This record gives sequence, structure tokens and C-alpha cells, in this order.
Amino acid sequence: GDSVTQMEGPVTLSEEAFLTINCTYTATGYPSLFWYVQYPGEGLQLLLKATKADDKGSNKGFEATYRKETTSFHLEKGSVQVSDSAVYFCALLIQGAQKLVFGQGTRLTINP
Amino acid sequence: DTAVSQTPKYLVTQMGNDKSIKCEQNLGHDTMYWYKQDSKKFLKIMFSYNNKELIINETVPNRFSPKSPDKAHLNLHINSLELGDSAVYFCASSQGWKRQRRGDTQYFGPGTRLTVL
Repeated sequence: GDSVTQMEGPVTLSEEAFLTINCTYTATGYPSLFWYVQYPGEGLQLLLKATKADDKGSNKGFEATYRKETTSFHLEKGSVQVSDSAVYFCALLIQGAQKLVFGQGTRLTINP
Repeated sequence: DTAVSQTPKYLVTQMGNDKSIKCEQNLGHDTMYWYKQDSKKFLKIMFSYNNKELIINETVPNRFSPKSPDKAHLNLHINSLELGDSAVYFCASSQGWKRQRRGDTQYFGPGTRLTVL
């Protein structure tokens, strides 16, 4: 079946550090890939997405590239801020199935 | 001008009770969803409706009954609540299943935290 595996958390970094959160997937079809972010006490917000191989999604300094050969969609940011502290979810969507399959989430804490 | 709204935000109730959660979207989307987030933050689809028609039902106990009076609303009614139903329930919407759009983005509501005592 379709599944998403994310890097185990929690992840704690200092402000201005480089961030990578790994995400790999298994899919029966050709999925679109997403990163969502959940700030404390809030719902999920779309951070970025990519719909085909080699596409790069980017938003708010975050980037992720759809790598079909390694079935990965790793999230990166060059310099994190305290305000980036949140839970990050990688997810896939199979066209036509219309349900998001989520990874387990990675809690990120940034210390000043 | 909230895009996807849910009520109530918090719901505390006793085992065995019946309760409802309401969801509304003002994005003009055709498809709406319910997801459950457990205590470990894991998110799983429960139901999906497209233009008032049920299209996904992910082996959810039949104590859970979604109802879509129109395409802007998707409510969730839960009968005979159990301790294991305690979770955060998220409503979401997207432009549409039938439009077969790649990367059809789902927009989430703020969640309803249900606590069953």
C-alpha cells in the first residue's frame, strides 16, 4: 500500500542552523507530494508541494525536490528561526484516490 | 473570511453520549474530508465527500456518520462515544476529485479536540 516515512523526531536546532527533515515514500501510482506544517494549537497549513519528478517546491525559505529515483521528498531550510518551531508532515496524494497519506510527523524545536 | 471552519473547537463529553462536529468551507470547493489525529499526532483519513456524495470511507466504525447537506458543509456525528474516540478531528476541503487535478491541495480547518471521559 501507499505509505510515507519521515525522519524520527523530535529535532532540536539552534537558530540559523541548517535544517533537513527526511521523507521517503512508497506508492502504487505516481503521487503528488506535500509538506504541511502544524503550529502549536492550530490546524495544518500547506508549506509546499511538487506534482512531478524533479519539481522543486518552495515557500518561506523551505525547499523540497521530488526525487522519483530515490522516492524521496526531503525538506530543507538554510537558516531556521524560532518561529519555525512546529510539527512538519510529509504526505502523498495519488491522483484519483484523493486522500492524503501522511507520515508520522516530525516535531521541530528551534532554540534562540 | 475563514476558509475552512469547524465548531466546536473543544468538546468534552462522557462515554456513551452522542455528539456532532460541524464543518463549513467558503472556498467553493467540491470535495470535503474528515481526518483523525491521534495522541501521537498521526493523521488518517476517515471520510471524503464530493459534491454531497460519499467517495471514501476508510473502515471507520459505523458509530461515525458523516452528513453533507450541501457541498459547503460536512458534519460528523458520533454515536455512543468511546474512550478511544478521543482525538483531534480535522475537516479539509479541496477543489475536487472529479477534476482529476494533480496536486489537488487540501485546506484544513483548525481542528476539534474531542475528549471522552
